[in-house]
Amino acid sequence: GENVEQHPSTLSVQEGDSAVIKCTYSDSASNYFPWYKQELGKGPQLIIDIRSNVGEKKDQRIAVTLNKTAKHFSLHITETQPEDSAVYFCAASHPALIFGKGTTLSVSS
Amino acid sequence: NAGVTQTPKFQVLKTGQSMTLQCAQDMNHNSMYWYRQDPGMGLRLIYYSASEGTTDKGEVPNGYNVSRLNKREFSLRLESAAPSQTSVYFCASSLRSGEGAETQYFGPGTRLLVL
Repeated sequence: GENVEQHPSTLSVQEGDSAVIKCTYSDSASNYFPWYKQELGKGPQLIIDIRSNVGEKKDQRIAVTLNKTAKHFSLHITETQPEDSAVYFCAASHPALIFGKGTTLSVSS
Repeated sequence: NAGVTQTPKFQVLKTGQSMTLQCAQDMNHNSMYWYRQDPGMGLRLIYYSASEGTTDKGEVPNGYNVSRLNKREFSLRLESAAPSQTSVYFCASSLRSGEGAETQYFGPGTRLLVL
């Protein structure tokens, strides 16, 4: 079955810096890769997603890249702000979503 | 439009007690899911329902049962709760599952403590 590895588990950056979170997946048939943000005490919320026929997608300060050959995808957050502090999860779908274990991002001002 | 709602928000059970977690969505989605979230483990799929009238096991189904009551509602039942079932439970829904998977929308979660 699908296995998703996510790194790093914790990430601390200064406000204004960039943050990058990386995930790898095992099943080459996976075709949908969402990223979720979870704030304390709340359910995960989708922030961006990418499908296997696209290599990169951007939404304001957030971008996701996908390398199907290497079976890895990454989340890039530029100009980080304190409100970006949260736990971020990647996932791969084939067909059910398999989640990574999460990255706790801390942005200090 | 409330999205995905879950009840209760918090629950404390004694070992061996039973309970049902309720989930409802008002987005006319076909597919619904139950996950559990444990520290350092991410989200693990317990059961899902691709469409009304169907249910399938996920990664960690043991000790749970589900019912897709209608298109809106998907409940999760613990027949005999165990301390290992202490967790935060999330319900989610999507327009469809499988090929062409769509965005899953999550509820606020139910925090369950089994003593």
